[in-house]
Amino acid sequence: QKEVEQNSGPLSVPEGAIASLNCTYSDRVSQSFFWYRQYSGKSPELIMSIYSNGDKEDGRFTAQLNKASQYVSLLIRDSQPSDSATYLCAVNNNAGNMLTFGGGTRLMVKP
Amino acid sequence: IAGITQAPTSQILAAGRRMTLRCTQDMRHNAMYWYRQDLGLGLRLIHYSNTAGTTGKGEVPDGYSVSRANTDDFPLTLASAVPSQTSVYFCASRKTSGSYFGEQFFGPGTRLTVL
Repeated sequence: QKEVEQNSGPLSVPEGAIASLNCTYSDRVSQSFFWYRQYSGKSPELIMSIYSNGDKEDGRFTAQLNKASQYVSLLIRDSQPSDSATYLCAVNNNAGNMLTFGGGTRLMVKP
Repeated sequence: IAGITQAPTSQILAAGRRMTLRCTQDMRHNAMYWYRQDLGLGLRLIHYSNTAGTTGKGEVPDGYSVSRANTDDFPLTLASAVPSQTSVYFCASRKTSGSYFGEQFFGPGTRLTVL
């Protein structure tokens, strides 16, 4: 079992819809969770961090964390074609000094 | 403020040659990392450094070495390049403070082709 799991997609949503990206992790002691966006041919760009259970909102993005279920998600409201990218979930490891990345979910927002 | 810079942007290298990928950050971050990204395999950690003067091995360290002489620079060296080291290489840095894992930022990457 991978330590951080994501559905590879592609996840296709129409413009203006809510895109929901999901991630599960195996290490119960993980405390820090991140979402990165990566456009094709570019480097990963940090878009959200979350450390506590519940929701964290930043503009059109909402990160949701449920440590009991070992589940973190990213919601993108009013999806735009420019949101089309691969979204990487990252979780700190049990030693606390590095991130483990999921394989990423490719999101396609269709006009 | 540049953040993290990497050089070169891309490189074609003959197998057996030595190559150093450069990474410099101006954010005074304690921790730095080198990843490679390959299609279907995602981001894999090669080496890391929690602070200047220390380094550690990641998931795929074989064939690579690093040094951390100061806070800003974290070069990655391929002593004798092989075709399987063809990849996109990303350097990253993170400020370590508090009990939570601080935000980690990536450089623009180096695309390396070994023939």
